Amino acid sequence: EADIYQTPRYLVIGTGKKITLECSQTMGHDKMYWYQQDPGMELHLIHYSYGVNSTEKGDLSSESTVSRIRTEHFPLTLESARPSHTSQYLCASSAGTWDYGYTFGSGTRLTVV
Amino acid sequence: AQTVTQSQPEMSVQEAETVTLSCTYDTSESDYYLFWYKQPPSRQMILVIRQEAYKQQNATENRFSVNFQKAAKSFSLKISDSQLGDAAMYFCAYRINFGNEKLTFGTGTRLTIIP
Repeated sequence: EADIYQTPRYLVIGTGKKITLECSQTMGHDKMYWYQQDPGMELHLIHYSYGVNSTEKGDLSSESTVSRIRTEHFPLTLESARPSHTSQYLCASSAGTWDYGYTFGSGTRLTVV
Repeated sequence: AQTVTQSQPEMSVQEAETVTLSCTYDTSESDYYLFWYKQPPSRQMILVIRQEAYKQQNATENRFSVNFQKAAKSFSLKISDSQLGDAAMYFCAYRINFGNEKLTFGTGTRLTIIP
């Protein structure tokens, strides 16, 4: 079944560590997105990609970086985690057609201690 | 810039009753799509229903229906016969029907179902 996968589901990590949140989709979607969801549940777009070798920063400034070397894979990296990075991170993809919205992954809940 | 407003941070409804979640949006465009997404606790966000701005008929998906008022820029979600599994955050979203435009989300409404 076509879907979008995020790993890990939960992560607790110490300050200063480098981490990569994984996101993969099996639908062949060109467009992929990373959202940060704050405790109030509001969604903030932090990165997006419209295809291989294409990445853009979103509306909310983030210290994270992304890469898109393969269509199906869109990892997000934090070089040095801080407590302020504690949040839920949602990955999404889109076929690019205007009427289907986004397909979301299950999210990664990151806690930096 | 387009904005989406959900003025009800929290709503509650008795099981089997009907509830309406409000959403308004601001745009100067005429061709766009509107969506309602559901995010259950600790679970994946899923699409509930979508509406094309050019269609006058309100979209319906089983117990979920919308009241789309284009002139008023209003897009409310009605949930009939509420079930315990409907408890979730609900997000309204807007997307212009052009090129690579991204979804703009509202701030969400947390829906509680009272048994």
